[in-house]
Amino acid sequence: GAVVSQHPSRVICKSGTSVKIECRSLDFQATTMFWYRQFPKKSLMLMATSNEGSKATYEQGVEKDKFLINHASLTLSTLTVTSAHPEDSSFYICSASGGDNYGYTFGSGTRLTVV
Amino acid sequence: GENVEQHPSTLSVQEGDSAVIKCTYSDSASNYFPWYKQELGKGPQLIIDIRSNVGEKKDQRIAVTLNKTAKHFSLHITETQPEDSAVYFCAAYGGYQKVTFGTGTKLQVIP
Repeated sequence: GAVVSQHPSRVICKSGTSVKIECRSLDFQATTMFWYRQFPKKSLMLMATSNEGSKATYEQGVEKDKFLINHASLTLSTLTVTSAHPEDSSFYICSASGGDNYGYTFGSGTRLTVV
Repeated sequence: GENVEQHPSTLSVQEGDSAVIKCTYSDSASNYFPWYKQELGKGPQLIIDIRSNVGEKKDQRIAVTLNKTAKHFSLHITETQPEDSAVYFCAAYGGYQKVTFGTGTKLQVIP
């Protein structure tokens, strides 16, 4: 079945630094990848949609300069949280679709803590 | 846009009993309805799905029903086990891969 690998699973960083999260589709080519943010006890909030080789489409209210998304290949998308602040602390999840995978396959998530 | 409502937000059942979670959607163009299970600190995992041309689908202890006319779909878990305890999300897919998630149901199975 479709597998999406997300790294790191946990990261702690200092305020003002940048953090990169990777999302890889292991056994299929992901034409589209999605990045979500999830607050405690809440549903998934779509941040942006990225298609391989093109600029990401951000949802309303999401700062594109703060959350940089790159989808350089059909198997890799990255989310970089720039100049992180404590309020950026959250659970970030990627998902991917493509090939025979009709729906979404989710990564295992990244717990970001900014101190 | 699509609006997905999910109920209940929390559900406690005794081990062995059944659990039912219901979702309603607003966009009649939505055509694919997956259910995800999310354990603490992990990403959601697809557990069952149904397309709009099917009314019911079953996979062992898990079943999903869809009523297109009423625009609602439900997840049924029979013979619940402690390992079924998790947060469950429904979702509705419309055009252009646009997906809307429900608000989640925290299921607790009491041994």
